[in-house]
Amino acid sequence: QKEVEQDPGPLSVPEGAIVSLNCTYSNSAFQYFMWYRQYSRKGPELLMYTYSSGNKEDGRFTAQVDKSSKYISLFIRDSQPSDSATYLCAMTRTGGFKTIFGAGTRLFVKA
Amino acid sequence: GAGVSQSPRYKVAKRGQDVALRCDPISGHVSLFWYQQALGQGPEFLTYFQNEAQLDKSGLPSDRFFAERPEGSVSTLKIQRTQQEDSAVYLCASSLPASDEQFFGPGTRLTVL
Repeated sequence: QKEVEQDPGPLSVPEGAIVSLNCTYSNSAFQYFMWYRQYSRKGPELLMYTYSSGNKEDGRFTAQVDKSSKYISLFIRDSQPSDSATYLCAMTRTGGFKTIFGAGTRLFVKA
Repeated sequence: GAGVSQSPRYKVAKRGQDVALRCDPISGHVSLFWYQQALGQGPEFLTYFQNEAQLDKSGLPSDRFFAERPEGSVSTLKIQRTQQEDSAVYLCASSLPASDEQFFGPGTRLTVL
């Protein structure tokens, strides 16, 4: 079993929809949680970074961490065709630098 | 440059050939990471440098893989005697000290025939 599980999709939604992306993990030592966006043939870029449980909002994006359930989510409001990309969850341990990524979820937002 | 650059962007090698992949991190970034990303998968950690010191190489799949960063800036990932299973995108990332935000390059797509 992988340390981080993420549904690869693809997920197809109409423009303006609310998108929910999720990951589960097995190692309770993970303390830092990140969401990256990766466009085709590009490197990942950091979208959201959270520490421990709770919510964090940045514009149309909200990251949610539930450490008791070992479950993290990314919500995208008012989705746009430009949001079409692969979204990767990632996490690291306290004091660690080895980042573990999920497999990524491919998102398509239709105009 | 403004971001992390990698070269070449694409590399085709015959099985058994040696390859060298280059990463130029953002100026001032002391931390440098290499990842391997197979098709349809997330990046998998290979190795980590802090300046010129290789602090973790636990993700390197075999002793055919070797990475160096001799002057604490540019890094090279070398793969000896390439195999078909080495075909993947190799990503390099760099970050500032005490920062968890990694800035990724565009990757090198390696195809081994």
